[in-house]
Amino acid sequence: GAGVSQSPSNKVTEKGKDVELRCDPISGHTALYWYRQSLGQGLEFLIYFQGNSAPDKSGLPSDRFSAERTGGSVSTLTIQRTQQEDSAVYLCASSLVLASGGTGELFFGEGSRLTVL
Amino acid sequence: QKEVEQDPGPLSVPEGAIVSLNCTYSNSAFQYFMWYRQYSRKGPELLMYTYSSGNKEDGRFTAQVDKSSKYISLFIRDSQPSDSATYLCAMTMTSGTYKYIFGTGTRLKVLA
Repeated sequence: GAGVSQSPSNKVTEKGKDVELRCDPISGHTALYWYRQSLGQGLEFLIYFQGNSAPDKSGLPSDRFSAERTGGSVSTLTIQRTQQEDSAVYLCASSLVLASGGTGELFFGEGSRLTVL
Repeated sequence: QKEVEQDPGPLSVPEGAIVSLNCTYSNSAFQYFMWYRQYSRKGPELLMYTYSSGNKEDGRFTAQVDKSSKYISLFIRDSQPSDSATYLCAMTMTSGTYKYIFGTGTRLKVLA
């Protein structure tokens, strides 16, 4: 597609349920990032993929959070046993990494707004 | 202490004013600096990037980096109501992990 696509755009769930958030990056972008943005907060780094592997997943807040990327393209962020503090906007971005001659610009999707009741 | 510090604002200025937005950072390994603009309920979009100390100008926007002070700035000249948004600084190393660290963002409102 022309840009980074995220789904769902909005998700309301009950505490304790599992949720899956999907990101479809720009075609050909090797790097994919997940960030979390809470109300009035900046972007909190969660995980970074280069191809299908995750060199840095230091930002995942707990073992309830996991992410995978398949075929060097689509990524899924899964939150198990959701808690109210998980309520936030989850942003995905893709890029060509600096080392491969890209500008390093992150192209963001519009986010998935998660509300845990 | 956060790796990147940014005043959250909000900052209100009259139309036509010069706006100065700033970030400080603690990791001297950061080499690549960016400013993103985020409108309400949208994803951030890149405004400017720079690899080195000094100034970089693009239209009404000027990005400034002072690595010795670990301080970066974004100046907006002749500010317009359409510039009202949240401005986030971001930075990363140019080797190793390409983890981009963002500031909290400064909310700017330009009054007509």
